[in-house]
Amino acid sequence: EDKVVQSPLSLVVHEGDTVTLNCSYEVTNFRSLLWYKQEKKAPTFLFMLTSSGIEKKSGRLSSILDKKELFSILNITATQTGDSAIYLCAVEEDDKIIFGKGTRLHILP
Amino acid sequence: DTAVSQTPKYLVTQMGNDKSIKCEQNLGHDTMYWYKQDSKKFLKIMFSYNNKELIINETVPNRFSPKSPDKAHLNLHINSLELGDSAVYFCASSPYTGTLYGYTFGSGTRLTVV
Repeated sequence: EDKVVQSPLSLVVHEGDTVTLNCSYEVTNFRSLLWYKQEKKAPTFLFMLTSSGIEKKSGRLSSILDKKELFSILNITATQTGDSAIYLCAVEEDDKIIFGKGTRLHILP
Repeated sequence: DTAVSQTPKYLVTQMGNDKSIKCEQNLGHDTMYWYKQDSKKFLKIMFSYNNKELIINETVPNRFSPKSPDKAHLNLHINSLELGDSAVYFCASSPYTGTLYGYTFGSGTRLTVV
């Protein structure tokens, strides 16, 4: 049974659209939630979230965590073709990290 | 029935020792990877093997040597461990090289060098 579930698995939108990627989790001793962008080699670190309700922003990307409902969202506004990638969510539980299967985002020009 | 399993999960060892981390995947994937996660949560790729053949070998000290006895296994051997080697090491697999589909990560091995 997957402890970190991302949705949708795949998403195709046009440039300029706004997208919302979801990550829900079910762990016992939550420590943090991480978002990564994976293109060709190593995933690029985006955000680390530990507290509910505090939005983290980096340019057109933002993310927020809800520890009560056990989920996080990653928003990308004004999408560009360079945003095409797999976005990975990972949850730190105790001393281990559990990755979701990722959302494959494809931006059409 | 874990898809990508790493052993051990935790490893505490002294400087100068030699240690190995094992990784096995039961997904039938052709490509396996080793990543190092630093204290800032950045993931850096170290090695990639496709069907037992080395594909990616990033700038990693020679003390790190991957070994792939078959396509389901990719082990990481580290010689003469240093304090800076302390990190979480992740193994991952994918159906084939270059795909972004189906990446599956192991749960990590936390290495502490004292």
